[in-house]
Amino acid sequence: RKEVEQDPGPFNVPEGATVAFNCTYSNSASQSFFWYRQDCRKEPKLLMSVYSSGNEDGRFTAQLNRASQYISLLIRDSKLSDSATYLCVVNRGDYKLSFGAGTTVTVRA
Amino acid sequence: ETGVTQSPTHLIKTRGQQVTLRCSSQSGHNTVSWYQQALGQGPQFIFQYYREEENGRGNFPPRFSGLQFPNYSSELNVNALELDDSALYLCASSVPQGADYGYTFGSGTRLTVV
Repeated sequence: RKEVEQDPGPFNVPEGATVAFNCTYSNSASQSFFWYRQDCRKEPKLLMSVYSSGNEDGRFTAQLNRASQYISLLIRDSKLSDSATYLCVVNRGDYKLSFGAGTTVTVRA
Repeated sequence: ETGVTQSPTHLIKTRGQQVTLRCSSQSGHNTVSWYQQALGQGPQFIFQYYREEENGRGNFPPRFSGLQFPNYSSELNVNALELDDSALYLCASSVPQGADYGYTFGSGTRLTVV
């Protein structure tokens, strides 16, 4: 079983729509959680950390459910510039990050 | 403050050859991690270097090796290249507990093995 599994999408949404997707992680000892954004053929960039109480950053809302071991990301009022692959990332308190394979989002005009 | 820089940006090698990829860490960061990202996959952890010593290793064969220098820059070496080694190789520098806060990655080296 993969350490981090994501809904691969693709999610194809119109501008202004809300889109949400999840990932699950297998290691219950995981301690830190993140969403990264990756544009085509570029490096991943940290979008936001995910905290137990849930957190927002502008139009982006992240939730963590430790009991069910899943993480979600919701994007409100989608912009064309939100088109990207979103990587769910988990750290179990050691030296490495474990990445999901990514969820592709395409926002159309 | 300079970010993480990697060189070269693109590289084409023949199966069986050897390759060296380079990474300069962000100012103040003494830990360097290397990841391999195959097409359509998420990055996979190769290894991490701290104080010039390997600090952890992922599920990669010994033909993947590395070095860290006193200035904290790092090299990734891959011997006996295979076609499946074609990927984007990413470097991230950090402080030792950097994984707790997420990493900033360099722009990567895209390696193609033919």
